[in-house]
Amino acid sequence: DAGVIQSPRHEVTEMGQEVTLRCKPISGHDYLFWYRQTMMRGLELLIYFNNNVPIDDSGMPEDRFSAKMPNASFSTLKIQPSEPRDSAVYFCASSLSGELFFGEGSRLTVL
Amino acid sequence: DQQVKQNSPSLSVQEGRISILNCDYTNSMFDYFLWYKKYPAEGPTFLISISSIKDKNEDGRFTVFLNKSAKHLSLHIVPSQPGDSAVYFCAATARNGQNFVFGPGTRLSVLP
Repeated sequence: DAGVIQSPRHEVTEMGQEVTLRCKPISGHDYLFWYRQTMMRGLELLIYFNNNVPIDDSGMPEDRFSAKMPNASFSTLKIQPSEPRDSAVYFCASSLSGELFFGEGSRLTVL
Repeated sequence: DQQVKQNSPSLSVQEGRISILNCDYTNSMFDYFLWYKKYPAEGPTFLISISSIKDKNEDGRFTVFLNKSAKHLSLHIVPSQPGDSAVYFCAATARNGQNFVFGPGTRLSVLP
């Protein structure tokens, strides 16, 4: 059984560049979440979708961040333009009910 | 304002002894609580959960206790093993929603 798949695992980019993180949720799961992990704040919820529809994006830090879920098997989190303070590990997770299943994360470094 | 708090950033315990990780929450609407474990370079994995209708849930070496009046839960690991060394996140949600709120995590080190 494939779990949640995220790409890239590591991304190093320069300030001002566009970054796109990708996620494939577990088949059949109807919820998809994007989290960001930092040393200071732990795991922060950025946005979540239900049946491909964004439900709560109040955690998205700024307009530089956007997320889409064009179909049940794919989601993207885009940062444009990126800044050094965006450096973190970004996790995608999916669920059917109750339990979240996380991907291995995408470590972003913005120089 | 953090709705889920884990006030101990780190904890060290000797192998074989009990590890107690604490979590406090502020939102009285939360009625389902979970603990996740995270190893370096991996995503968090589900460990154990508890519904607000219970005050204890046990799974092998892991037990979660819930004190609703104090808005407090704890995870007990007995006996602790070196492989338990990881970051533990407490999470909470209201069952009629899917907004899981995580605490900042506690790094547990089990010393051989």
